[in-house]
Amino acid sequence: DTGVSQDPRHKITKRGQNVTFRCDPISEHNRLYWYRQTLGQGPEFLTYFQNEAQLEKSRLLSDRFSAERPKGSFSTLEIQRTEQGDSAMYLCASSLDRGLAAPYEQYFGPGTRLTVT
Amino acid sequence: GDSVTQMEGPVTLSEEAFLTINCTYTATGYPSLFWYVQYPGEGLQLLLKATKADDKGSNKGFEATYRKETTSFHLEKGSVQVSDSAVYFCALSEAPNTDKLIFGTGTRLQVFP
Repeated sequence: DTGVSQDPRHKITKRGQNVTFRCDPISEHNRLYWYRQTLGQGPEFLTYFQNEAQLEKSRLLSDRFSAERPKGSFSTLEIQRTEQGDSAMYLCASSLDRGLAAPYEQYFGPGTRLTVT
Repeated sequence: GDSVTQMEGPVTLSEEAFLTINCTYTATGYPSLFWYVQYPGEGLQLLLKATKADDKGSNKGFEATYRKETTSFHLEKGSVQVSDSAVYFCALSEAPNTDKLIFGTGTRLQVFP
């Protein structure tokens, strides 16, 4: 069984450019999460989906960030007009909601490291 | 808002020493509590969890007890190994209201032979 995969693993971009990251969850998982982690800090929640529905979005997420999960499988996270402060590791996780009460175990991918120059 | 506070690292121990990593939390409700571990070059993995007061989570010789009266979830292991060297994150979730995890800043553990 393959785990959560993310692509690309590393991205270097110039300030002002747009970037898009992809996350492929574990195949039967219906929930998908995005987190951001900066050096020396713990992961910070960005957003999560149940199938294709975006259930929650962090208030810290500016309008430059958008996430989609169009068919309830893979997800994309786009950052428009990148800033140096966007440099971080972007983590994706997935879980299986079997209809029982949360919390559901979240399985994390290896992350995409973004560097904005 | 909800938050998690962990002891700062690094924690440096000799093999077979006793480990404690402190974690306290602030939450409005009755959260579930977790410890995640990140080994060098690998993704975050769930180590253990507890979903209600007085529950004890345990895995791989690690354990932590959910203490509502002290709002704590300290991680312990009786005898650490070099292979336990990693970064450990304490986290909470206000499930079922939300499924998001709120993490502490992480504590790096270094175990020497």
